[in-house]
Amino acid sequence: TQLLEQSPQFLSIQEGENLTVYCNSSSVFSSLQWYRQEPGEGPVLLVTVVTGGEVKKLKRLTFQFGDARKDSSLHITAAQPGDTGLYLCAGVNSNYQLIWGAGTKLIIKP
Amino acid sequence: KAGVTQTPRYLIKTRGQQVTLSCSPISGHRSVSWYQQTPGQGLQFLFEYFSETQRNKGNFPGRFSGRQFSNSRSEMNVSTLELGDSALYLCASSSLGQGNYGYTFGSGTRLTVV
Repeated sequence: TQLLEQSPQFLSIQEGENLTVYCNSSSVFSSLQWYRQEPGEGPVLLVTVVTGGEVKKLKRLTFQFGDARKDSSLHITAAQPGDTGLYLCAGVNSNYQLIWGAGTKLIIKP
Repeated sequence: KAGVTQTPRYLIKTRGQQVTLSCSPISGHRSVSWYQQTPGQGLQFLFEYFSETQRNKGNFPGRFSGRQFSNSRSEMNVSTLELGDSALYLCASSSLGQGNYGYTFGSGTRLTVV
């Protein structure tokens, strides 16, 4: 069974701090997606990374796809309360199936 | 353009009953996928429909079924509800389906089985 392990599962930090969320697998993915979900709503797509080593920036959020396309990270600089939510990663495998991580629940305290 | 619309938003059913949930994808999207989300299990894939055909199916019992209409709208049905079916059911639409570059999700239907 293909797994996509996310860490940490839970993170609570003060406003202004930096943080990194990781998604790791032993399998190769053709692309990897990051979503943010707020309570009572569906996940919202933040970014898709496709090329090994690719880095994408979305304001204070930086996404990186590992060189071997087996892992990815999300780094948030100077976190704000509006960044609070559940962050999910999902990788597309060789069978065009979407493999989901379990999520990282992030709380930013003012 | 309008997003993915799921109805109803909230539903309370009794164990043993059946339920039908509806999803209208983004106009032009032919793929609709359904997910079950619970705190303990995360996002679990139910099935994907593309142009009225079920293209992929997850590991759920036969009580869970779905269909897609010619206008791409989709419904999922759960028969003989169990307490463990209580969850947020999410519908996701895309132009190509799994393997594409991202889904657009609806706000979900919160199903509570009592």
